Amino acid sequence: QQQVKQSPQSLIVQKGGISIINCAYENTAFDYFPWYQQFPGKGPALLIAIRPDVSEKKEGRFTISFNKSAKQFSLHIMDSQPGDSATYFCAASRAGTYKYIFGTGTRLKVLA
Amino acid sequence: DSGVTQTPKHLITATGQRVTLRCSPRSGDLSVYWYQQSLDQGLQFLIQYYNGEERAKGNILERFSAQQFPDLHSELNLSSLELGDSALYFCASSVPLAGVSTGELFFGEGSRLTVL
Repeated sequence: QQQVKQSPQSLIVQKGGISIINCAYENTAFDYFPWYQQFPGKGPALLIAIRPDVSEKKEGRFTISFNKSAKQFSLHIMDSQPGDSATYFCAASRAGTYKYIFGTGTRLKVLA
Repeated sequence: DSGVTQTPKHLITATGQRVTLRCSPRSGDLSVYWYQQSLDQGLQFLIQYYNGEERAKGNILERFSAQQFPDLHSELNLSSLELGDSALYFCASSVPLAGVSTGELFFGEGSRLTVL
């Protein structure tokens, strides 16, 4: 019940394309779903996050879609750029606990 | 720059040895988390401290221990090291002393441990 399943493990997208990364969770007590971006040699950094009272959140080219009934959420990167090449982690937690369960990560490569 | 400082950045040691990794959280953050990142394993939560007290424990081996000091810095001690302990160890901080927390974890750049 504590797992967050992330797919795909790796993703190659052409410049200008759409990158889609999916995550699924089991614990219905989770109510905070962040995505972290990690560049080589760096620590993960918060990219965008959503709470389950909304079905979608958009920040620039990055959008989280959230399906509460299916217990799934996804990250969409529109107009993908080579600079987006990084590893992306989804996560889930209960607000206020700060105990995050991370997915296994998706290594994204955007070809120029 | 996240404001979280980890030392050392790289560490090479032999099996059976003991090492200490150090983390200084962002100024004002009370909580420190330790994560282990192995190849293709994602981020595995090890342990969390809040204002000097252990708050949550994850998949931390008995050979590993941690503490948070009065100045809020934290140390992760790894002993009787095995080859499989080779990994990136991240520290993160959150929960500012004042103000509203956003729920965001701020990660350091990690300490890469290689056990030979």
